[in-house]
Amino acid sequence: QVQLVESGGGVVQPGRSLRLSCAASGFTFSNYAIHWVRQAPGKGLEWVAVISYDGTYKDHADSVKGRFTISRDNSKNTMYLEMNSLRLEDTAVYLCARAPSSRAAQFDYWGQGTLVTVSS
Amino acid sequence: DIQMTQSPSTLSASVGDRVTVSCRANQSFSSWLAWYQQRPGKAPKLLIYRASNLAGGVPSRFSGSGSETEFTLTISSLQPDDFATYYCQQYKSHPYTFGQGTKLEIK
Repeated sequence: QVQLVESGGGVVQPGRSLRLSCAASGFTFSNYAIHWVRQAPGKGLEWVAVISYDGTYKDHADSVKGRFTISRDNSKNTMYLEMNSLRLEDTAVYLCARAPSSRAAQFDYWGQGTLVTVSS
Repeated sequence: DIQMTQSPSTLSASVGDRVTVSCRANQSFSSWLAWYQQRPGKAPKLLIYRASNLAGGVPSRFSGSGSETEFTLTISSLQPDDFATYYCQQYKSHPYTFGQGTKLEIK
């Protein structure tokens, strides 16, 4: 069955860095775009970034542009989110989600998320 | 950016009720809209895509309608499993944006 498993979350001080991973199984990873979405405690969903099936197209939300970078390694069925210069407002559960295309496509499977807490 | 506004924010209903959640956009985007269900501590689940298409395995009591700027999610007869939070999302253009969510509570 389709599975997306996030890891790498934790507690980090403002200004520091963290790398999240999203490991996929149960489907042909290299055929799908993958998105990161975050959810601050008790809040709604906020789209963060997308990467195309082959990694040639990437886009990031303005709130993280220049600080976060999405990437993928199709040989490892894994996608990453490199987060630098973390801020208090980046505290959230980070979820990865699969989409049939990087444009105009719904998110058909989601992971459970990994919690990132930015705190001094 | 396309802004999505859901109403109501909270909805109290009983098992067997018919409920409707609305989602309004500040600009038109045809039918590139999805609805997701999220239970506490769980991953969101796709219910509806392209505004009115039922995702695989989703019960037929869920339905979606609308286009351009006005969309609706309807649950025809609430079941205990349906008490959750529901989000609409436009995926016409990046940044993909979500509504603020509608929490469906047991009356």
